[in-house]
Amino acid sequence: GAVVSQHPSRVICKSGTSVKIECRSLDFQATTMFWYRQFPKQSLMLMATSNEGSKATYEQGVEKDKFLINHASLTLSTLTVTSAHPEDSSFYICSARGGAGGNTEAFFGQGTRLTVV
Amino acid sequence: GESVGLHLPTLSVQEGDNSIINCAYSNSASDYFIWYKQESGKGPQFIIDIRSNMDKRQGQRVTVLLNKTVKHLSLQIAATQPGDSAVYFCAERGPGTYKYIFGTGTRLKVLA
Repeated sequence: GAVVSQHPSRVICKSGTSVKIECRSLDFQATTMFWYRQFPKQSLMLMATSNEGSKATYEQGVEKDKFLINHASLTLSTLTVTSAHPEDSSFYICSARGGAGGNTEAFFGQGTRLTVV
Repeated sequence: GESVGLHLPTLSVQEGDNSIINCAYSNSASDYFIWYKQESGKGPQFIIDIRSNMDKRQGQRVTVLLNKTVKHLSLQIAATQPGDSAVYFCAERGPGTYKYIFGTGTRLKVLA
């Protein structure tokens, strides 16, 4: 399958600082990227959907000013957690899909574990 | 056996036996479904997919069954191996969207 690379895999930051997570599609052009959040022993919760060159669409209850998403190119999307607090500590996962229309699978990055201290 | 509550439901099977993992999806209009496997500390890994115009699809050692009448998906793993131990999620995609909504997940434990 296609490769999606997420960086960093782990990050520890101080409360009040901002953290940027990168998601890259290495061997295909990702027309759409998704950002998920996963708490321990729970399922993945979709945070937002982003299409290259346009604003991200956030799910209900997700603060767009808190979780800034930029999808500036067909191979890169970034998630910035601004003014992070301990409750933002979680596993963040991106996925990407390429192609227009049809049923195409989404490929996932390896995830980023964020710990806010 | 299975356990529910604050923890993920868990299915324990003997190595070599067949496993059946079930998933109830939410949207009767969803037209595409995927099963993912997630190992500890890693992102989900694609296993198999199925479109809503099918009721069965087979892969290598895995079979997905779709029952649209009751909005139910199942993943069958033949001759379960220790490497199959992971959490399994189903994901559904609604029509006209590329959003994937994940189910609650099931932890599969393979007993030697």
